[in-house]
Amino acid sequence: QVQLQESGPGLVKPSETLSLTCTVSGGSISTTTYYWSWIRQPPGKGLEYIGYIYYSGSTNYNPSLKSRVTISVDTSKNQFSLKLSSVTAADTAVYYCARRGRRGSGWVFDSWGQGTLVTVSS
Amino acid sequence: DIVMTQSPDSLAVSLGERATINCKSSQNVLYSSNNKNYLAWYQQKPGQPPKLLIYWASIRETGVPDRFSGSGSGTDFTLTISSLQAEDVAIYYCQQYYTTPPTFGQGTKVEIK
Repeated sequence: QVQLQESGPGLVKPSETLSLTCTVSGGSISTTTYYWSWIRQPPGKGLEYIGYIYYSGSTNYNPSLKSRVTISVDTSKNQFSLKLSSVTAADTAVYYCARRGRRGSGWVFDSWGQGTLVTVSS
Repeated sequence: DIVMTQSPDSLAVSLGERATINCKSSQNVLYSSNNKNYLAWYQQKPGQPPKLLIYWASIRETGVPDRFSGSGSGTDFTLTISSLQAEDVAIYYCQQYYTTPPTFGQGTKVEIK
């Protein structure tokens, strides 16, 4: 059973860069079967897709965040990471890493980390 | 982006009664070549991450109780809990995976009356 665990600072100053890492255990990140994603949820609000990465390094980002987002993968550590630059209070959210798994010809988020709250404040 | 709109925002249902949640997409999410609706439902219990319940609009994920069912096609979808249990108290989200970026509804909170 795969497990995902987010880690990183819980407080980031405005205009700085948010950095989070997701460690995958119970399975290899270097698989053709899955993509590895980031999704966020502002307090009391809904879910917003940030982007995903394949083990090879190919990425897909939400256009609304694309100019500020970088997702990378470290297969040797079975981890993938998120960097979000120039943060503002609007970026305060619980950040989830999630596995994007195939269901036939479609892809759904079939396994999630517990999430980590990142607050943007001076 | 495809906008997903759920209704109602919240509902309170007695234990053992039926709960019905609606989801409407701003564009068709039925792929004509395979006749599949690219629509999923997730359950998020308090303090937990979302959990995949249903995909292809009506296929339950492994281990999901059969009191959960999904229906609909095109732009209009429904999640039904046939007999509400205490452990079903949660927020439910629909999500389209027809196009990128994948987008979620705003959520429907289900409580016990």
